[in-house]
Amino acid sequence: AQSVSQHNHHVILSEAASLELGCNYSYGGTVNLFWYVQYPGQHLQLLLKYFSGDPLVKGIKGFEAEFIKSKFSFNLRKPSVQWSDTAEYFCAASEGDKLIFGTGTRLQVFP
Amino acid sequence: ETGVTQTPRHLVMGMTNKKSLKCEQHLGHNAMYWYKQSAKKPLELMFVYNFKEQTENNSVPSRFSPECPNSSHLFLHLHTLQPEDSALYLCASSLRQGRDETQYFGPGTRLLVL
Repeated sequence: AQSVSQHNHHVILSEAASLELGCNYSYGGTVNLFWYVQYPGQHLQLLLKYFSGDPLVKGIKGFEAEFIKSKFSFNLRKPSVQWSDTAEYFCAASEGDKLIFGTGTRLQVFP
Repeated sequence: ETGVTQTPRHLVMGMTNKKSLKCEQHLGHNAMYWYKQSAKKPLELMFVYNFKEQTENNSVPSRFSPECPNSSHLFLHLHTLQPEDSALYLCASSLRQGRDETQYFGPGTRLLVL
């Protein structure tokens, strides 16, 4: 069965710092991968997704993620964070018609 | 703007009450989902409906009863809940067509069981 691990539970950064959030999944077959973001008081929104093709995926708001099959990883990156990026970030992997989510990473960005 | 709406946004109920959560999607999707989001735990898939047919029941207690009258509407009927059922209940929808089955989420219903 698929499982998803997010190693960073709480990340605190200053504005303009670079961000990398780790995500590993367990099932090595064909997999679809997602990053969702949940801003305070708002619903889960899709940041980016990977299905096939270029392993470097660009999403909204300057985020990108790299699919590394050999490492079962799909880490999220942003070169320079802003205060408005304060939110909870969830990695998810498909298992058939289901999505398996990680526990989430809470990001706090201070001005 | 999500395209998936949920009502009510907040609900407080006693353990003997019966209430229902409603979800509506305006995206032309054909699959709908209920998730439970509790603090410090991953989102837990509860139910999946594909073309109005339930295709997944993820070992959810019978005090949660889903209903999907059509592809646009999904309900979660609640009765005799327990305090540990307090959580954020999220609805999502997707288009089952090809490999891209991205799920889009509603804002959730924050449920408190007293």
